[in-house]
Amino acid sequence: NAGVTQTPKFQVLKTGQSMTLQCAQDMNHEYMSWYRQDPGMGLRLIHYSVGAGITDQGEVPNGYNVSRSTTEDFPLRLLSAAPSQTSVYFCASSYSGTGREQYFGPGTRLTVT
Amino acid sequence: AQKVTQAQTEISVVEKEDVTLDCVYETRDTTYYLFWYKQPPSGELVFLIRRNSFDEQNEISGRYSWNFQKSTSSFNFTITASQVVDSAVYFCALSVGWTGTASKLTFGTGTRLQVTL
Repeated sequence: NAGVTQTPKFQVLKTGQSMTLQCAQDMNHEYMSWYRQDPGMGLRLIHYSVGAGITDQGEVPNGYNVSRSTTEDFPLRLLSAAPSQTSVYFCASSYSGTGREQYFGPGTRLTVT
Repeated sequence: AQKVTQAQTEISVVEKEDVTLDCVYETRDTTYYLFWYKQPPSGELVFLIRRNSFDEQNEISGRYSWNFQKSTSSFNFTITASQVVDSAVYFCALSVGWTGTASKLTFGTGTRLQVTL
């Protein structure tokens, strides 16, 4: 099992550009989520999905879009990048249900200039 | 709303010292889960432990131990005889609700542990 994979590992964008961060898991997990990690702020939930076709907003959803067309993939789209979106982004997955251990991807470091 | 507080931003110890990382949580739910994750310098997040709100038994795993006290809303993590490889950022996290709901995690801001020789 590859677990949770994320691409790219690093990305530099100019303000206003759009891009998609990819996330895939091969563990047949129903639940997937995106977090951003900023210095001194821990990880904050952006969007999550409890299954294919179902997504919902987390704590900091503005400026991001998600969709879940398959169980395996959960891409995160930045619609118009802003410097405030400079962060490390983590994708996670787990079996559904509160209290399940979440498996995290290796992260994508994004810089917006 | 849920909240997790890790008041210790950074701790430095010398190898072989014991160290305790504090975690205080807030929630009105009676069913919840607490987690600890480790983030070594390489950046990945490593799951360490999960505890549910109905199980206040302390847990020991090798040099690691966890003390869960509902009376003080705390879930502290102790490393005994610390080693340089323990150097990392440690996150405490909280998830609330019954099984079947989304497993959203609320993280603390993390404690950076530096273990030196």
